[in-house]
Amino acid sequence: GESVGLHLPTLSVQEGDNSIINCAYSNSASDYFIWYKQESGKGPQFIIDIRSNMDKRQGQRVTVLLNKTVKHLSLQIAATQPGDSAVYFCAVFSNDYKLSFGAGTTVTVRA
Amino acid sequence: DTEVTQTPKHLVMGMTNKKSLKCEQHMGHRAMYWYKQKAKKPPELMFVYSYEKLSINESVPSRFSPECPNSSLLNLHLHALQPEDSALYLCASSQEPAYSYNSPLHFGNGTRLTVT
Repeated sequence: GESVGLHLPTLSVQEGDNSIINCAYSNSASDYFIWYKQESGKGPQFIIDIRSNMDKRQGQRVTVLLNKTVKHLSLQIAATQPGDSAVYFCAVFSNDYKLSFGAGTTVTVRA
Repeated sequence: DTEVTQTPKHLVMGMTNKKSLKCEQHMGHRAMYWYKQKAKKPPELMFVYSYEKLSINESVPSRFSPECPNSSLLNLHLHALQPEDSALYLCASSQEPAYSYNSPLHFGNGTRLTVT
């Protein structure tokens, strides 16, 4: 199986600052990772993914970093905006095709 | 808006009722999933359908009965539920197999179920 953990359950960020959300996983064989954003009353929304043959991938205002040595994943959000307030989940595919979610980090953006 | 549509958005049912949750996607995905999410918790996998066949059942009680009538539709039939089954039920779809195709799951907005 796969155990996925987040380092902080909550994160408060000033609008315009950068946000960093961290995640740890347990299975060294895991090689496909996904970040989701879930706003209140909605389902998880895909943000960005990364495969283990990469250590960094960038999207629009978001960057995912993967450190396979320490089994650590992070999501960086540049210039955080009020619309970024949500719960962020990291998710990991294990070898048996199941997607396991971390506990989630609630990001609150202060005006 | 999500490309995975779930109905109804909200459902209140008694413990003796029978109801169904419905999910539809038109992305040509051949894998479909049911997840359960309790408040302030991550989604938990219940069932996976691959090419319209049930491929994973995460030891879900038989009072939950999934059905995949065709590649675009996924149902979850509910019968004799308990109050602790109250939760957000999420449907998702992906290319199949998601892992090999680097295909993230696409989620609907869920059905908020309350069992009284």
